[in-house]
Amino acid sequence: ETGVTQTPRHLVMGMTNKKSLKCEQHLGHNAMYWYKQSAKKPLELMFVYSLEERVENNSVPSRFSPECPNSSHLFLHLHTLQPEDSALYLCASSQDPSGGGEQYFGPGTRLTVT
Amino acid sequence: QKEVEQNSGPLSVPEGAIASLNCTYSDRVSQSFFWYRQYSGKSPELIMSIYSNGDKEDGRFTAQLNKASQYVSLLIRDSQPSDSATYLCAVKYSGAGSYQLTFGKGTKLSVIP
Repeated sequence: ETGVTQTPRHLVMGMTNKKSLKCEQHLGHNAMYWYKQSAKKPLELMFVYSLEERVENNSVPSRFSPECPNSSHLFLHLHTLQPEDSALYLCASSQDPSGGGEQYFGPGTRLTVT
Repeated sequence: QKEVEQNSGPLSVPEGAIASLNCTYSDRVSQSFFWYRQYSGKSPELIMSIYSNGDKEDGRFTAQLNKASQYVSLLIRDSQPSDSATYLCAVKYSGAGSYQLTFGKGTKLSVIP
């Protein structure tokens, strides 16, 4: 595996389900990010982990819960989501732990909440 | 509110022409600027980064930065149908603890054969 991988690629879940999205980066980077991309809206940063510590949380509802067990893995735990949470969820990583420099994206998870 | 503005398009150019994509940003004190290409249904792919005023060329792509005018652009020479995609401008703002990139909504480019 190379670059940034994400699983699953597609996910359909009901509002009462609990699921998790997984991201793995194979680039030796120091920072990892979760973004949400909805139709006709800019990419929205959700969470940032730098050197395995959460450093930014952009007013994301508590039904989204991130976890970063080590510098290569990032999870997004989902529970009691709403239909408006349906979107493309993108993971990214960067070498620079301060968030500067170039960010590289995974293929994304297309989430549909029914 | 830090903002990044792009024309949503679509911008249509004939094959072989130069496509010019523009982006303005709201904060004078900005550090880094990036262009991403996103094909429909795919994730953003980094194609150019620029950190100082002037031009930066990479193959058919040229990024231009003018910090005084708060303006960054991307030129694509000899446009190909495979360049048809949405192009996202992203800005890294300075400031302690500022980790995020701020993205524009993107400009959709269509290269007509």
